[in-house]
Amino acid sequence: DAKTTQPTSMDCAEGRAANLPCNHSTISGNEYVYWYRQIHSQGPQYIIHGLKNNETNEMASLIITEDRKSSTLILPHATLRDTAVYYCIVPVVSTSYGKLTFGQGTILTVHP
Amino acid sequence: GAGVSQSPSNKVTEKGKDVELRCDPISGHTALYWYRQSLGQGLEFLIYFQGNSAPDKSGLPSDRFSAERTGGSVSTLTIQRTQQEDSAVYLCASSPRMTGRETQYFGPGTRLLVL
Repeated sequence: DAKTTQPTSMDCAEGRAANLPCNHSTISGNEYVYWYRQIHSQGPQYIIHGLKNNETNEMASLIITEDRKSSTLILPHATLRDTAVYYCIVPVVSTSYGKLTFGQGTILTVHP
Repeated sequence: GAGVSQSPSNKVTEKGKDVELRCDPISGHTALYWYRQSLGQGLEFLIYFQGNSAPDKSGLPSDRFSAERTGGSVSTLTIQRTQQEDSAVYLCASSPRMTGRETQYFGPGTRLLVL
């Protein structure tokens, strides 16, 4: 997987937008950016993914820079339940291998 | 629809005993993955299946670990002669295919404690 770099931790006030950055400067042209999160004592949960266009779903928005070397996950109105470890992952594109390499991620703490 | 399920949710065993962990993937998903997460650590990839085949077993920590998948569905991860360092949360995930562009859906995990 292409190497990703994320801040170790971030804080956000409840109701405010949480903006989580990720650097992936070695990303290849056909590699997607995926975001997962892991709430304490649960399995990882898929959030969103994208190639080069900005994406939005019911959970979050993903903004990818034009050169694709970085991206930002946006939780528009963070709640206490969004407190989790957020992982930015660029999986290897392969017809035979699809494992995910989880780094340390960003610990997001949403406070009242 | 039903997500990935794993059983048991918790398992306490004595050192030296064998354990079996089960994963039921989402119906129709051909790819299945096993990961391990030790306390305070990141996820460690163990093995994957495409159908019933596991092309790469190099992620398994030792030869005490084995896994199988039957009927392209249920998978079992077996740990023989468990050791205390095997204590971890074992996570299973499935995806429709295996290309690196498929979302993986994770189960809740099995928490294994080896005394």
